[in-house]
Amino acid sequence: DSGVTQTPKHLITATGQRVTLRCSPRSGDLSVYWYQQSLDQGLQFLIQYYNGEERAKGNILERFSAQQFPDLHSELNLSSLELGDSALYFCASSVETGNNEQFFGPGTRLTVL
Amino acid sequence: GENVEQHPSTLSVQEGDSAVIKCTYSDSASNYFPWYKQELGKRPQLIIDIRSNVGEKKDQRIAVTLNKTAKHFSLHITETQPEDSAVYFCAANSGYALNFGKGTSLLVTP
Repeated sequence: DSGVTQTPKHLITATGQRVTLRCSPRSGDLSVYWYQQSLDQGLQFLIQYYNGEERAKGNILERFSAQQFPDLHSELNLSSLELGDSALYFCASSVETGNNEQFFGPGTRLTVL
Repeated sequence: GENVEQHPSTLSVQEGDSAVIKCTYSDSASNYFPWYKQELGKRPQLIIDIRSNVGEKKDQRIAVTLNKTAKHFSLHITETQPEDSAVYFCAANSGYALNFGKGTSLLVTP
């Protein structure tokens, strides 16, 4: 157990819908990262927050957005869902940013039908 | 942005043999290079990392080497065991983010 929690574990929804994925970082970690992992794909970096502020953006679609709240938990919002958005979404946390070990949560498996 | 290339994509070795996975990166400012292991259906977990001020780091059967001039780093697993079978990801930092390679699926056969 890494100390990072993610909910829900599984999510099944339909195209066009909107979902919210939630992540709680390890106690004391200020940075939260979101990744998308599709079949046969590596870990695609989406976005990073540090102490409530956006710090880095990767290959995140405009239909996706995220935020980090004062209690440091983070939410990833996915809207106008498409079949291709079906993937495993991981959240990770670290003490600071960039060059520190990232601890991954168990992931949320999203299936868009 | 930062590009991390990883090879091979699949690797099959016999138990007891060594396995080597290689990665290259493009951002000359990268100074942190972790390796993650992901077992089927589980989260990625850090197995070893190296920073740019050292050229090699070892932890029991696992070692990582870094060549900053050539911008490549490698993972070496010696005396492989069936439980080493997993997908391995290399990564390099770029600014505040970590960019991952596409992964190497390692199979260790008894």
